[in-house]
Amino acid sequence: DIQMTQSPSSLSASVGDRVTITCRASQSITRSLNWYQQKPGQAPKPLIYAASSLQSGVPPRFSGSGSGTDFTLTIRNVQPEDFATYYCQQSFGTSWTFGQGTKVDIK
Amino acid sequence: QVQLVQSGGGVVQPGRSLRLSCEASGTVFSRYVMHWVRQAPGKGLEWLVLISSDGTTKHYADSVKGRFTISRDNSRNTVFLQMNNMIIEDTAVYYCAKVASRAVTGPNWLDPWGQGTLVTVSS
Repeated sequence: DIQMTQSPSSLSASVGDRVTITCRASQSITRSLNWYQQKPGQAPKPLIYAASSLQSGVPPRFSGSGSGTDFTLTIRNVQPEDFATYYCQQSFGTSWTFGQGTKVDIK
Repeated sequence: QVQLVQSGGGVVQPGRSLRLSCEASGTVFSRYVMHWVRQAPGKGLEWLVLISSDGTTKHYADSVKGRFTISRDNSRNTVFLQMNNMIIEDTAVYYCAKVASRAVTGPNWLDPWGQGTLVTVSS
């Protein structure tokens, strides 16, 4: 199975900061990488699909990049509503897997 | 608007069984692959299983292979997760999710998700 390693596991940021989260796959997954945001008590919400495509309705301060094994989620000008946990997820193989998650909280 | 409504969670004793349901509305359910994902208390997301649109192909995570069974009834727009021989470590919120694209190849992701249902395995 393809393993996904996310880092960091948590980070603190101030409103207006730029935040970067990385995700590494154990083998090449081309661009089959998605990012989700989850807030407490809620189901995950898709943000980015196919490594860099913005889901409809998601603010453009969110962006994704990467291909192969290394991927990045960037949040520019972090807003109060962005404090949440973020997960990467690969959809390359027949079995999908998630990264461990990155909790973004207020500094 | 596509909506997934889950039912069937609750408390179950170790070794017993439970079946979860997830009913879709607002979409042509029979055209889409469906997934189940779970989240143990305070932990991350764990992908569990997928089922093809026609129900003939299923792929399971090793953690549930042989104990959990996914199925679907396209006439009822519903996907099921049958959980047998449950263990304490199966305690989690379980989510069903629909793939966003009908394409067999190319990018795909999970959207939307059900509201989640809590399953507690305890004696």
